[in-house]
Amino acid sequence: EAQVTQNPRYLITVTGKKLTVTCSQNMNHEYMSWYRQDPGLGLRQIYYSMNVEVTDKGDVPEGYKVSRKEKRNFPLILESPSPNQTSLYFCASMPAHQEKLFFGSGTQLSVL
Amino acid sequence: QKEVEQNSGPLSVPEGAIASLNCTYSDRGSQSFFWYRQYSGKSPELIMFIYSNGDKEDGRFTAQLNKASQYVSLLIRDSQPSDSATYLCAVNPGTYKYIFGTGTRLKVLA
Repeated sequence: EAQVTQNPRYLITVTGKKLTVTCSQNMNHEYMSWYRQDPGLGLRQIYYSMNVEVTDKGDVPEGYKVSRKEKRNFPLILESPSPNQTSLYFCASMPAHQEKLFFGSGTQLSVL
Repeated sequence: QKEVEQNSGPLSVPEGAIASLNCTYSDRGSQSFFWYRQYSGKSPELIMFIYSNGDKEDGRFTAQLNKASQYVSLLIRDSQPSDSATYLCAVNPGTYKYIFGTGTRLKVLA
């Protein structure tokens, strides 16, 4: 089944403890992206990647890192999480030449 | 800051009526426009996209684009309770940094 898989689905952590949210897609899509969704603020782009080893900042990149070493994987790294990073995170992928984002199921992160 | 604006709602319509959802965007250079539907607790899914001025129809859905007015709309004909969801307008300003509105919550009353 074609899908974007995020893990974990739920995560509770404490301030300053490094964490990684994984994202993997099995559709051979070139484009991948991370969003956070907050009430009243909607979906905001954190980082995106047009292809392997190519990443760029979205609108809210502060406090996040990404890497794209393989086409299928695009992990989101929070080196030192803070409470203002408590949010619902979505990974998405998109094939070249078709502007349709396929979203993962989301990761609900709580930073205490 | 490039923006996409939507009324948060809720927009309540009776079953069988036409639901009209609206969106405005700030970047005149925007090239492509999208409507995503998001059910509560689920991820967004694309339902319509439009590139050119005018109307685009797909089943019960019609997307309308007016670049001069920087306005995008989505019409849902014969609204069903299963259409109750949040509808997200999204815009590509030409950089693949897709910008989403905050969404309009639609409630279709049986």
